Amino acid sequence: GAVVSQHPSWVICKSGTSVKIECRSLDFQATTMFWYRQFPKQSLMLMATSNEGSKATYEQGVEKDKFLINHASLTLSTLTVTSAHPEDSSFYICSAADRVAKNIQYFGAGTRLSVL
Amino acid sequence: GEDVEQSLFLSVREGDSSVINCTYTDSSSTYLYWYKQEPGAGLQLLTYIFSNMDMKQDQRLTVLLNKKDKHLSLRIADTQTGDSAIYFCAESPQYGKLTFGQGTILTVHP
Repeated sequence: GAVVSQHPSWVICKSGTSVKIECRSLDFQATTMFWYRQFPKQSLMLMATSNEGSKATYEQGVEKDKFLINHASLTLSTLTVTSAHPEDSSFYICSAADRVAKNIQYFGAGTRLSVL
Repeated sequence: GEDVEQSLFLSVREGDSSVINCTYTDSSSTYLYWYKQEPGAGLQLLTYIFSNMDMKQDQRLTVLLNKKDKHLSLRIADTQTGDSAIYFCAESPQYGKLTFGQGTILTVHP
């Protein structure tokens, strides 16, 4: 089946530093990737939609300068949390839509970010 | 806007059937999905149904869709302890943005 690799799985950083999270589709091409944020015991909140070769589309209330998204190839999207603060601590999950079966999103295992 | 609602908790005994229910408001929903999330992990796609279907069965999983009432259910036959997880219902108008329910925590007792 389709596999989405997300790295790192857990990161702890100091306040004010930047953290980059990678999302790769391993065995399929993904023209569209999505970034979600999940708070404990809550549902997933879509942060942004990332299309290969173009700028990401951010959901209302998500700061694009805070959460930088780059989708450089059909298999890789990155999310950079800039100048992280404790309130950015969360579980971040990416998904990738198959280029052919566009209605199916496959999810990465998530990245737990803890900002001290 | 779109809204997806699920009951928050379900507790069943091992071997029984589990039924998780979901309602949605977007009449333009084209695809409806069920995802499973285990603790500290991402989401695993269990199954999905196209809006012109009423039912879909895949091994122990049966999905029922009542489009008139905008009601979706997931039945897990012969529920096992390994099925304990959070189950998310989601809908999509066509390609792209998924709207998720709050998730149903399924607990399976021996």
